[in-house]
Amino acid sequence: GNSVTQMEGPVTLSEEAFLTINCTYTATGYPSLFWYVQYPGEGLQLLLKATKADDKGSNKGFEATYRKETTSFHLEKGSVQVSDSAVYFCALTLYNFNKFYFGSGTKLNVKP
Amino acid sequence: DAGITQSPRYKITETGRQVTLMCHQTWSHSYMFWYRQDLGHGLRLIYYSAAADITDKGEVPDGYVVSRSKTENFPLTLESATRSQTSVYFCASRDEGLDTGELFFGEGSRLTVL
Repeated sequence: GNSVTQMEGPVTLSEEAFLTINCTYTATGYPSLFWYVQYPGEGLQLLLKATKADDKGSNKGFEATYRKETTSFHLEKGSVQVSDSAVYFCALTLYNFNKFYFGSGTKLNVKP
Repeated sequence: DAGITQSPRYKITETGRQVTLMCHQTWSHSYMFWYRQDLGHGLRLIYYSAAADITDKGEVPDGYVVSRSKTENFPLTLESATRSQTSVYFCASRDEGLDTGELFFGEGSRLTVL
């Protein structure tokens, strides 16, 4: 089947620390991969995406590389800010983008 | 205002009552979706719609009914609410013409079933 597994949170970091949130997937086909972010009290919004192996998605200082050999799409940021505190969701979709499979989410708390 | 709006944002109801959550989008996106968000499960797809009068089941459709008579509206009805349906519900939309796979989400409706 299709599924996404994320590292459990919460993750608590000090400002300017390095962030990694692990994400691995299983898929019956060749998926597109996404990271969505949910700020407190809001809906999810797209952070970055990658549609084929070895693609790197990037946005707002965050990066993730589509690794087909390890079925992974880990999210990284070199220096987090307090404003990055949110819940991060890894997701995949196949074929026609109508069925997304989301991970359980990882809450990030960044302390000043 | 342009965007996707959900109502009500918060709802408390009792077991057995009918509840309808509304979703309205102003972009004329073809596709609309309903997800529920539960701790430990992430987001799970309830129903989706490819166009007016076209709907299909997602991962967890039992106990829910949807309709889409107009492109911009996609209401979700719980015909007889149960406590297990206590959750945060998100509506989302996607433009058929975009090959990005980006979903646009509403702010969510928090439902509590007592």
